[in-house]
Amino acid sequence: ETGVTQTPRHLVMGMTNKKSLKCEQHLGHNAMYWYKQSAKKPLELMFVYNFKEQTENNSVPSRFSPECPNSSHLFLHLHTLQPEDSALYLCASSQRGGLADQETQYFGPGTRLLVL
Amino acid sequence: SQQGEEDPQALSIQEGENATMNCSYKTSINNLQWYRQNSGRGLVHLILIRSNEREKHSGRLRVTLDTSKKSSSLLITASRAADTASYFCATATYSGGSNYKLTFGKGTLLTVNP
Repeated sequence: ETGVTQTPRHLVMGMTNKKSLKCEQHLGHNAMYWYKQSAKKPLELMFVYNFKEQTENNSVPSRFSPECPNSSHLFLHLHTLQPEDSALYLCASSQRGGLADQETQYFGPGTRLLVL
Repeated sequence: SQQGEEDPQALSIQEGENATMNCSYKTSINNLQWYRQNSGRGLVHLILIRSNEREKHSGRLRVTLDTSKKSSSLLITASRAADTASYFCATATYSGGSNYKLTFGKGTLLTVNP
């Protein structure tokens, strides 16, 4: 256990559905991240939240909508997804503001998403 | 563009042998990290090496960093079947403020046969 939990672990949804992924970190970190991991591609950073403020959005389509109500919780709201959005979605957290040459990220187990 | 790139893409060895994975990158970095991922799970941080360090050890892991060649290697000694996983290098760049970024490679799939 890394101290980062994600629910659900598996999700199957149709292209017209609306669903949400949830991430919670119990590490007292102040930064949280969403990544997308597709087969045979590098891990893609989607969103970064630093002290609950979104600091990075890597040209992610608007059908993905993040929400960070506090520094421990992060959501990814999904609507009208496409089959190519099927992937493993990973949440991570880290502690910003310390020594920049020592910051590491702690990952949750991921949500395996299948869009039909 | 992709920063870290691991080599080989896949590696299969026998238990007890050593496994070496390499990572090359393109721009200056603040530090380089190695992560491990078991199939369908999240990534787990293994070791971090700063840009001013050349070698680091942690248990059966040995990491080297050559900033002149922009490359790093991860050596796992006396491998075990439980080491079977994908291994990713991640390069960290920092340009002040909240501009700290980790960029991951595609990974090396290591299979250790009993």
